[in-house]
Amino acid sequence: QVQLVESGGGVVQPGRSLRLSCAASGFTFSSYGIHWVRQAPGKGLEWVANIWDDGRNKYYADSVKGRFTISRDNSKNTLYLQMNSLRVEDTAVYFCVRDGHPEIQYAFDIWGQGTMVTVSS
Amino acid sequence: QSALTQPPSASGSPGQSVTISCTGTSSDVGGYNSVSWYQQHPGKAPKLMIYEVNKRPSGVPDRFSGSKSGNTASLTVSGLQAEDEADYYCSSYAGSNKWVFGTGTKVTVL
Repeated sequence: QVQLVESGGGVVQPGRSLRLSCAASGFTFSSYGIHWVRQAPGKGLEWVANIWDDGRNKYYADSVKGRFTISRDNSKNTLYLQMNSLRVEDTAVYFCVRDGHPEIQYAFDIWGQGTMVTVSS
Repeated sequence: QSALTQPPSASGSPGQSVTISCTGTSSDVGGYNSVSWYQQHPGKAPKLMIYEVNKRPSGVPDRFSGSKSGNTASLTVSGLQAEDEADYYCSSYAGSNKWVFGTGTKVTVL
């Protein structure tokens, strides 16, 4: 079945780095843009970044621009999020999310289960 | 980019209807027919319920409907059922390849 599975979360000190991965299966990964969306404990959803299907174009929320890098390896059906200079406010569950384009426009149609990132000294 | 504004809570008895609003600006909700709605049960990932303002993905009951007027979108859940109790979030494309979510609404089935 169509699935996204995140990994790589954990506890990290402020200022350090962490890399998240998202393994896709059940669909043609290289045909879809993918996003990262995060949710701080007890808070709402926040769009973080997205990458187009071919990996050429990447976009970031202002809150992470310059610190986070989204990338993908279509040969491995895998999405990445490199997070540098982590801050306490980056603590959240990070979801890997498929962009529904072209079948479903402007919406996130498939969500992973999420991976928890805790930034704490 | 500021979050879209939703009421913190909404409630209704089984069988009744509840409507949730989502207010943005002309740069997001009002500027595009791109509003989507997500249902999230505790400890679970969000689930797409409505996209492009009023379209339902396959498998979503027709009790869920969406609309938009100006800078405000709405989600209506008709014939409330116990399993509809969850958090609901709206989202909109905000231009320049960026997206914004709403603040979230907790729906309680009385």
